[in-house]
Parts: sequence; C-alpha cells; structure tokens
Amino acid sequence: DVKVTQSSRYLVKRTGEKVFLECVQDMDHENMFWYRQDPGLGLRLIYFSYDVKMKEKGDIPEGYSVSREKKERFSLILESASTNQTSMYLCASSFERQEDTQYFGPGTRLTVL
Amino acid sequence: AQSVSQHNHHVILSEAASLELGCNYSYGGTVNLFWYVQYPGQHLQLLLKYFSGDPLVKGIKGFEAEFIKSKFSFNLRKPSVQWSDTAEYFCAVSGMISGGYNKLIFGAGTRLAVHP
Repeated sequence: DVKVTQSSRYLVKRTGEKVFLECVQDMDHENMFWYRQDPGLGLRLIYFSYDVKMKEKGDIPEGYSVSREKKERFSLILESASTNQTSMYLCASSFERQEDTQYFGPGTRLTVL
Repeated sequence: AQSVSQHNHHVILSEAASLELGCNYSYGGTVNLFWYVQYPGQHLQLLLKYFSGDPLVKGIKGFEAEFIKSKFSFNLRKPSVQWSDTAEYFCAVSGMISGGYNKLIFGAGTRLAVHP
C-alpha cells in the first residue's frame, strides 16, 4: 500500500511567520505534488517535482516555494504566511509513467491568523 | 476559465436512489480521466480512472463512469447509493489540458449527502 504522510494535520500560524509543511512518501515515486484545496475551487496545483532537486511551478505558486533534497520528501514553504493562505494543503505522489495515478496524503489544515 | 466543470456542487439523495454526477472538460485532445472521492475526515482516494479502451469504466464500491469523447464528458454513476457514499467527489483530467500527463487539473468538486 502506498503511504503518503504529512507532518501535521492541523497548524495555526501568525501572519508573517515562515511555515514549513513536510510530506513523505514510501513508494519510491519520482513525482511529488503540493495542492491547496478550497471550497468551491477544488484542488489547485502549487508546485510539482519530478526528481530530486527539480521543481516546476503549478497554477498558483505565488507566495510559496518548495524543496526536494531527497526523493521521498517534498517540503512546501510559506516564506511569510498571509491570511489568504489559510487552506487545506494536500501532498500527492506518483510514478513517472503516464498511466500512473496520484496518491494523496491526509492533508494539513493551515490557519493563518 | 475552469477547464474541468462539475455541474452540481451539492447533491442530496435518499438511500437506494440512483446517482449521476456530471463532469465535462474543455479540451479535445487525448486525456486521461479520473474520479477521486474524499470521505469525511479521510484523504482523497481514487475511485476509478480511464486511460484508453472500453469507455465504460468500473471502479470501487459499485461506481462506474462513461467517457463520451464527442461530449467531452466523463460522468460518474451508481445505480443505488448508500449512506456511506456521503463524500465529496472530484473529477480530474490529465494531458495537454493540464500541461502534461503527469499533472492533474481538478473540477470544483461535488458534495454528496445521502440520507437514510
């Protein structure tokens, strides 16, 4: 069974704080993804990584950065958290093959006060 | 503009009713199609997927979906819903529409509530 874990289920931070969200997968997947999920908007891709140290911007990268130093770990960084970044953040991973599906972690609900 | 449209944002059904959730995408090229489900308090999980072949795809828990290329649609169906089907359902598409087959673009989701 594929397992994607995220460091926290709930997180509360203050405006201006630097926030790290961690994601780890145990299936040796090449691809890893960070999404945010907001009511009525579905999931929107923030960043995507297809290999160690490689990253690609998704649809809404502004205000975020990522780090992938090891294949199994993909971190999302909010350099200076703002209230409009209050959201549910989902990590996912998949193999490189076109036909493969993405497997999701449980999500981190981030509240920025 | 939304590239993947889910027609209903909220659906309320009684147990044993039939379900059909609509999904349309806006691009005519080759696509891979997915339905994901998120049960209350649980992570997003794959319900079914279509890559090629038979356009009628069967998934877990009695769900099925039909890919109609001419209508750019991939509607989800279940003949008789149960209370345990209460969840949020997301249609997703990959291909040129999403910038590559490794990336998904999601619809806004449909919240389904099934009453006993």
